[in-house]
Amino acid sequence: AQTVTQSQPEMSVQEAETVTLSCTYDTSESDYYLFWYKQPPSRQMILVIRQEAYKQQNATENRFSVNFQKAAKSFSLKISDSQLGDAAMYFCAYRINEKLTFGTGTRLTIIP
Amino acid sequence: DAGVIQSPRHEVTEMGQEVTLRCKPISGHNSLFWYRQTMMRGLELLIYFNNNVPIDDSGMPEDRFSAKMPNASFSTLKIQPSEPRDSAVYFCASSLGVGRIRETQYFGPGTRLLVL
Repeated sequence: AQTVTQSQPEMSVQEAETVTLSCTYDTSESDYYLFWYKQPPSRQMILVIRQEAYKQQNATENRFSVNFQKAAKSFSLKISDSQLGDAAMYFCAYRINEKLTFGTGTRLTIIP
Repeated sequence: DAGVIQSPRHEVTEMGQEVTLRCKPISGHNSLFWYRQTMMRGLELLIYFNNNVPIDDSGMPEDRFSAKMPNASFSTLKIQPSEPRDSAVYFCASSLGVGRIRETQYFGPGTRLLVL
């Protein structure tokens, strides 16, 4: 069975600083996708960034970037220049075919 | 461009009542997903449809749950009879899947269900 592990239930970071959220996954597949979703207090699930497993280059979206280590099955999210609006639950997710499997989430607090 | 639309946003009902949750996927998307989020179990996939056909319903907890997709722009998730342990946030998501290429799933705002 595919599993996604987020070992940090909570993280905090000073505004304008950089924070890295960890995620590891377990799969025997070679063709899959990885995602980070953000869930603010409104409960809306918002896509932050995605990574195709066949791409070696790490995905980047503005202040958000990933460190994808396929051999280690690791997919961490780096948030640069943290802003108050980044405060949310962050979920790492793995997708094979149509099915998304989510981690348990990391609650990120931004300290003003 | 409208995102995934879910209704109602909040539902409070009494145990034993029927509950119907509704979803309108993003226009042009051909895959639709129903998820449930609880504190205990996190986010779980209940069922998903491709081209209006249920593909995998292994996540549906029991026979009290049923889902339909009568056309490409509408889906329902029904719970009958409802129980307090069904209280959760239910998300609908949609994506455009073509062959082996599966695009990102976009989530609706969710329906917060409370069964008393």
